[in-house]
This record gives sequence, structure tokens and C-alpha cells, in this order.
Amino acid sequence: AQTVTQSQPEMSVQEAETVTLSCTYDTSESDYYLFWYKQPPSRQMILVIRQEAYKQQNATENRFSVNFQKAAKSFSLKISDSQLGDAAMYFCAYIDNFNKFYFGSGTKLNVKP
Amino acid sequence: EAGVTQSPTHLIKTRGQQATLRCSPISGHTSVYWYQQALGLGLQFLLWYDEGEERNRGNFPPRFSGRQFPNYSSELNVNALELEDSALYLCASSSRGGQGEREQYFGPGTRLTVT
Repeated sequence: AQTVTQSQPEMSVQEAETVTLSCTYDTSESDYYLFWYKQPPSRQMILVIRQEAYKQQNATENRFSVNFQKAAKSFSLKISDSQLGDAAMYFCAYIDNFNKFYFGSGTKLNVKP
Repeated sequence: EAGVTQSPTHLIKTRGQQATLRCSPISGHTSVYWYQQALGLGLQFLLWYDEGEERNRGNFPPRFSGRQFPNYSSELNVNALELEDSALYLCASSSRGGQGEREQYFGPGTRLTVT
């Protein structure tokens, strides 16, 4: 069965610094997609970045990038030049071949001014 | 383009009652997912509807049910409410296509409180 694990319930970062959020997953599938979602306080969940397992190149979206290690089943999110608006819950997610999503338990990111 | 909408925003029920939550997907999206997010916890997958059919469900008892209408909007029903059903219920929609195109767009959620 597919599972997604986020081992850091909460993290803090200083404004303008870099932070990395961890995510590991378990699957027997060879091709799949991984996502990072952001849920700001009292606001809607939005997609931050996605990665296709078939692609070796790590996805990047402006200040957000991933470190995808397929063999290790690791999918970490790096946020560079952290901003106050980055403070949120971050969820790692996996979609299986039946289009069912699995979410991790989330990491609460605090950004200190 | 209008986003995913959910109603009501808040819902207060007593134990044993039934709750009905509604979701309207983004125009053109045929899939609707329902999730339960208990306070401080992650998202637990509840149900997935696509083209009017239930495609998959999570590990929830049968008193959690739903349906999808011809216009792709969806309803989640929770019967015989229990205190532990208190949570934020999120709806998400996605379009057809491969896995990578199934980015989920989330609604603001319905906060269900069971007293």
C-alpha cells in the first residue's frame, strides 16, 4: 500500500534563509507523480510544485525546488529566500495509477522575521 | 474562472444527526475528491467521484457516503454523526487526463462541529 510520511511536524526558518521539508513515500509503482501542497492559515490549499517520477531532473518553481531521490523514495521541498508569506502547512502527496491521492500528515512551517 | 466552492462554510450538528455537505467543482472538471482534515492532522481521503460514479473510497465507515450529480457537483453525507466526525471537510476537483494533469484544486472547506 502506498504511504506518504512527513517526519517533521513543525519547522522554523528565518526570513531570507533556506529551509528543506522532508517527505518519504512507499510504492511499488514505477511511474507516478508527487506533489507539494501549501495550506496557509485559514486559506485554501494550493499546489506548490509537482514532480514526475520518470523525469530525473528535479522540478523548480521560482524559490521552490525539490530534491527527488527515486531509489530512496524521497521527495524533499527546498524553499529558498524564505518569506513571511511562506508560513503555512505543507503537505506532500502521491497519486497512484488509479488516480487516488495520498497525503502526508503535513509540516507546519514558521517563518521568523 | 470560479474556483471550487463548498457550502456551508460552517455546520453545527448534534450527535446522531445527519450532515450534508456540498461541493461545486471548477467548470470543466469531472472529478471530485472529498477529504477529512481533523484538527492538527493531515488529509484523510474519503471519496472520489468521476463522471458520476464513485471510483474509490478511503477507510471510512459506510455512514460516510456521497454522490455526484450530472453537472459534476457533489454531495457528502454523514449519517449518525459522532463527536469524532468534527473536522474540516475539503473538496477538491480535477480534470481528466493522466496522473500529472490531475492537479487538485481545493475548496475552502466546510467546518463540521458535532456536539
